[in-house]
Amino acid sequence: GQNIDQPTEMTATEGAIVQINCTYQTSGFNGLFWYQQHAGEAPTFLSYNVLDGLEEKGRFSSFLSRSKGYSYLLLKELQMKDSASYLCAVREYKLSFGAGTTVTVRA
Amino acid sequence: GAVVSQHPSWVICKSGTSVKIECRSLDFQATTMFWYRQFPKQSLMLMATSNEGSKATYEQGVEKDKFLINHASLTLSTLTVTSAHPEDSSFYICSASSGRRELNEQFFGPGTRLTVL
Repeated sequence: GQNIDQPTEMTATEGAIVQINCTYQTSGFNGLFWYQQHAGEAPTFLSYNVLDGLEEKGRFSSFLSRSKGYSYLLLKELQMKDSASYLCAVREYKLSFGAGTTVTVRA
Repeated sequence: GAVVSQHPSWVICKSGTSVKIECRSLDFQATTMFWYRQFPKQSLMLMATSNEGSKATYEQGVEKDKFLINHASLTLSTLTVTSAHPEDSSFYICSASSGRRELNEQFFGPGTRLTVL
């Protein structure tokens, strides 16, 4: 089975940086995804890592270390609209999701 | 591109009735569709994987006779919750894949909120 852990909640102020960590233990690995989900809506794709290292996409970056079973999502220049749940998902033959981290951005 | 729709977006029904949820890929052919369920403040749990023209593969603990999945065409999959009970109230989300090994091969629908009274 899969074990995907991420913090439950994080709070930050507008303009700040927040790092959401994700650790995983899976029998196989075929990529790690980060999704953003606003309340009552479906997840939207943010990033994908399959090789070690940092992937940067605008204000969002994601890092992966396969040997450590570790990833993080970095959100820079936080905006109020970034308040949402962020889901870490690992793909073996299927996608398995972590419980999500609720990020609250305060003015 | 890669738009997935779901219908209805929300539904309220009485206990004991059946509810059908449709998932459509609007601009691509989805060889595989996935059905997830999400309870409040919890993560998405995969219920089943369906491939066009074949029987769905259900995850452990998901009753296949209760959650009927039909993937009759490359653009449509349906999930029918039979004899729904209040504990079936949840947010049901489908996703679709074209089968190509791209980095983001699953595209999610907007979800259907089911409330069983």
